[in-house]
Amino acid sequence: KQEVTQIPAALSVPEGENLVLNCSFTDSAIYNLQWFRQDPGKGLTSLLLIQSSQREQTSGRLNASLDKSSGRSTLYIAASQPGDSATYLCAVRTGNTGKLIFGQGTTLQVKP
Amino acid sequence: DVKVTQSSRYLVKRTGEKVFLECVQDMDHENMFWYRQDPGLGLRLIYFSYDVKMKEKGDIPEGYSVSREKKERFSLILESASTNQTSMYLCASSLRGRMDGYTFGSGTRLTVV
Repeated sequence: KQEVTQIPAALSVPEGENLVLNCSFTDSAIYNLQWFRQDPGKGLTSLLLIQSSQREQTSGRLNASLDKSSGRSTLYIAASQPGDSATYLCAVRTGNTGKLIFGQGTTLQVKP
Repeated sequence: DVKVTQSSRYLVKRTGEKVFLECVQDMDHENMFWYRQDPGLGLRLIYFSYDVKMKEKGDIPEGYSVSREKKERFSLILESASTNQTSMYLCASSLRGRMDGYTFGSGTRLTVV
């Protein structure tokens, strides 16, 4: 059974720092991995989608990497800003039905 | 911009009521999903649909049903609402291919009193 783990559960950093969020999954047979952002009380916003054949994707200050063989992905946020404060979720698409399996998320606080 | 729209942001219903949560997508996506999100439990899949009039049970279907009469609309039905169904409900959609990403709606916060 696929399990997705995100470490740390919470992170607090001063503005301007570069930071890394971690995601690990137990079964490397995935179709893709998606990183989402969720603001309190809101829905999920897709940040980056990495296909299983890809190693990384970039969007602005965000860079996501994927090492399928080791079951790991990282989300790198450069020059963090208070507006980056949110919960970040990773999810893998897997199985015969292609369902999305989520991690528990990392709650990020960027202090001014 | 592609969109998944959930009709209500906040709902308060009484125990025993029949509750309808509506979700509409404008992307011509084949797949649609309903999740609930609870603190400490994360996102859990309730039901999903691969096509009109088709539905599949997710991980926690008990107490829920769904309807998909049109491709763009996927409804979640709580037949007799209970307090343990108080939660954030999230709808999502995707193209048929397993290589495609999911697009989520803004969520419905349901409180059952």
